[in-house]
Amino acid sequence: GQNIDQPTEMTATEGAIVQINCTYQTSGFNGLFWYQQHAGEAPTFLSYNVLDGLEEKGRFSSFLSRSKGYSYLLLKELQMKDSASYLCAASSFYNQGGKLIFGQGTELSVKP
Amino acid sequence: DSGVTQTPKHLITATGQRVTLRCSPRSGDLSVYWYQQSLDQGLQFLIQYYNGEERAKGNILERFSAQQFPDLHSELNLSSLELGDSALYFCASSPRTDTETQYFGPGTRLLVL
Repeated sequence: GQNIDQPTEMTATEGAIVQINCTYQTSGFNGLFWYQQHAGEAPTFLSYNVLDGLEEKGRFSSFLSRSKGYSYLLLKELQMKDSASYLCAASSFYNQGGKLIFGQGTELSVKP
Repeated sequence: DSGVTQTPKHLITATGQRVTLRCSPRSGDLSVYWYQQSLDQGLQFLIQYYNGEERAKGNILERFSAQQFPDLHSELNLSSLELGDSALYFCASSPRTDTETQYFGPGTRLLVL
């Protein structure tokens, strides 16, 4: 089957670091995406991991372990504007077609 | 701004009706994907088109259909609408059909009364 699990909500303090975990089980797995989504808006791309290891991009880093079916998104120096839903998505490619399978999202609240 | 456009932004209609949602992909992108996001379901993949051909199908209801035209814009048709079809419908695009980053449009918010 296809399954993506991530915590429903998290709270963190401005200036702190937060790690959002994601576990996945997907057939035809190709890579792991993280998107940020503010309420009522489009998801915006944050990061993509296809190989094991850490990818760093400014205040955001993402890690993937394909053997464990596990990823995390690390947000450093949290700002109030980082309050949003963070979506973990596994990319699945088969029969010449591709799709993203999304988790339910982790609602992050950043408090002063 | 992702470069993906969707119209209309909002749509209010009644049960039993039919609506058409429109999407224009980013310039140069050949793949278009449709997703549905409702409060209790999260983002669900509906269907993918690549250069006019259907390439992947998710849990799309038989009452829903889509197509991609020669100019690469896509339309999602929803018919015999039910209250449960109320949701945000997103279109995304990518250059090819394998799994690269998908860029999402602003969405169409559909309300079925």
